Amino acid sequence: DVKVTQSSRYLVKRTGEKVFLECVQDMDHENMFWYRQDPGLGLRLIYFSYDVKMKEKGDIPEGYSVSREKKERFSLILESASTNQTSMYLCASRLAGSSYEQYFGPGTRLTVT
Amino acid sequence: GIQVEQSPPDLILQEGANSTLRCNFSDSVNNLQWFHQNPWGQLINLFYIPSGTKQNGRLSATTVATERYSLLYISSSQTTDSGVYFCAVEYGRGSEKLVFGKGTKLTVNP
Repeated sequence: DVKVTQSSRYLVKRTGEKVFLECVQDMDHENMFWYRQDPGLGLRLIYFSYDVKMKEKGDIPEGYSVSREKKERFSLILESASTNQTSMYLCASRLAGSSYEQYFGPGTRLTVT
Repeated sequence: GIQVEQSPPDLILQEGANSTLRCNFSDSVNNLQWFHQNPWGQLINLFYIPSGTKQNGRLSATTVATERYSLLYISSSQTTDSGVYFCAVEYGRGSEKLVFGKGTKLTVNP
């Protein structure tokens, strides 16, 4: 079974802090994704990585950066957390190419106070 | 870009009832998945179904790609079926990114 894990289920940070969200997958997937989910707005793609050290902006990259130094690990970084980044963050992975299923981690509920 | 519309937005059922959730999309797709988001927020894969029909226990799904819609059927619903059901599609050449509908929130009462 595919397993995607995220470093924390719940996280509380203060405004201005640097925040790291970690995601690890164990199925040698090339593609990894970070989404945020907010009520009424659905799932929105923040960043996408298709290989080690490769990344592509999604729909809402502002205020975020990412790092992929190893194939199995994809990190989302909030350089200076703000209250409007309070959200549910979901990581996902899949094999490269069309016609493959995407799998999600359990999510991290981040609160910025 | 592609539009993905799910209906109904909300659905309340009594345990044991059957239901049909619909996903319409505005362009040809390479990939279509149905997910269930449980009350703890995890998205669980239900079906990968760009075309045709699949069944898994009490759940089944049909995608008619030529008419640009997919249906998710839930039979003999249980309280554990509660949550939000998402349809997501991948379209275009080399996209490899899913576009999600807004979801259908299902509540199954005992």
